[in-house]
Amino acid sequence: KQEVTQIPAALSVPEGENLVLNCSFTDSAIYNLQWFRQDPGKGLTSLLLIQSSQREQTSGRLNASLDKSSGRSTLYIAASQPGDSATYLCALAETSGSRLTFGEGTQLTVNP
Amino acid sequence: EPEVTQTPSHQVTQMGQEVILRCVPISNHLYFYWYRQILGQKVEFLVSFYNNEISEKSEIFDDQFSVERPDGSNFTLKIRSTKLEDSAMYFCASSQQGVRLHFGNGTRLTVT
Repeated sequence: KQEVTQIPAALSVPEGENLVLNCSFTDSAIYNLQWFRQDPGKGLTSLLLIQSSQREQTSGRLNASLDKSSGRSTLYIAASQPGDSATYLCALAETSGSRLTFGEGTQLTVNP
Repeated sequence: EPEVTQTPSHQVTQMGQEVILRCVPISNHLYFYWYRQILGQKVEFLVSFYNNEISEKSEIFDDQFSVERPDGSNFTLKIRSTKLEDSAMYFCASSQQGVRLHFGNGTRLTVT
């Protein structure tokens, strides 16, 4: 059974800092990995999706990498801003259309 | 940008009552999902729906739960006889190809 773990559980940084969020998983037979953002009381917003054949994806200040062999993904946020404060979740799919297995999330606070 | 809409945003019900949570997926999407998040816990998969039938369900999705797409636009989750432990945020999601999921803002269900 796939297990997804995110470290750290919470992170507080000053504005402008570059930061890395970590996601690890136990079964490398994945179809894709997604990073989501969740604001309090809101739904999940898809940030980046990496297919199993890809190594990384970039969108603006965000970069996500995937290393299936070691069971790890990282989300890199450059030049963090207070508006980046949210909970960041990683989730895996094992086949197309199949369920997503989520990590617990990292709660990020960027202080002005 | 098209979005998934869920109603109501908050539902309070008494234990043993039936509830129906409603979702309007993005119009050209073919895959539909329900997830839930108990306060302080991970987002958990409940059920996926494709081609007018359940394609996958979790162990949580027992006989008390059912899903329906009654009219080609709405997607509903029914809980027949609610229990205290059903209190959670319920998220609907849809996807065009079963790859990138788009989530609604959720319905907070409180069972008293």
